[in-house]
Amino acid sequence: DTEVTQTPKHLVMGMTNKKSLKCEQHMGHRAMYWYKQKAKKPPELMFVYSYEKLSINESVPSRFSPECPNSSLLNLHLHALQPEDSALYLCASSQAGGSETQYFGPGTRLLVL
Amino acid sequence: RKEVEQDPGPFNVPEGATVAFNCTYSNSASQSFFWYRQDCRKEPKLLMSVYSSGNEDGRFTAQLNRASQYISLLIRDSKLSDSATYLCVVNGPGGYNKLIFGAGTRLAVHP
Repeated sequence: DTEVTQTPKHLVMGMTNKKSLKCEQHMGHRAMYWYKQKAKKPPELMFVYSYEKLSINESVPSRFSPECPNSSLLNLHLHALQPEDSALYLCASSQAGGSETQYFGPGTRLLVL
Repeated sequence: RKEVEQDPGPFNVPEGATVAFNCTYSNSASQSFFWYRQDCRKEPKLLMSVYSSGNEDGRFTAQLNRASQYISLLIRDSKLSDSATYLCVVNGPGGYNKLIFGAGTRLAVHP
């Protein structure tokens, strides 16, 4: 089973709202990722968690706050977003420790008004 | 120079055609190479990993040339269902799990 699940599928929020995106995997993977993908562009890495610790932050604005409560779950907390943050947010997971494949969830399509 | 470069296409080919995509990468220290496929408004899905010896999976063949920093994907006997964007992916500087995606090559297979 190579399934990564994400909720919600779609999200519309105002610039003053606070919302969270959720990601879950039950493959025993120890690395989890957040990516942002704009239309007709490739995914861009935002954050990497390895063994539940933040290992990479690609200079993402603080209005995006990741959290990894346990090895199966990854959250992305959103606050005071801008319309240009509207995008597809993809979660991925992989085994940690080598040149492993990343498996992607279906994404959350976010619209900021 | 972009870290991973691909011809954006689109490649418009008839069913049954053979089509080849190329990709170049800039980081000579990269160790992991993949082709992902992404359908419109869907997530990227792994098509195949790419190994130095080359590898084949059914109608798909991937090749890696480390000296030239070049990766290729060959699709034989194209099907309508092969229509998608094909993303060349390489691990970047900063770690094996930091993947850099090419902009993708769009393939449209027509009847």
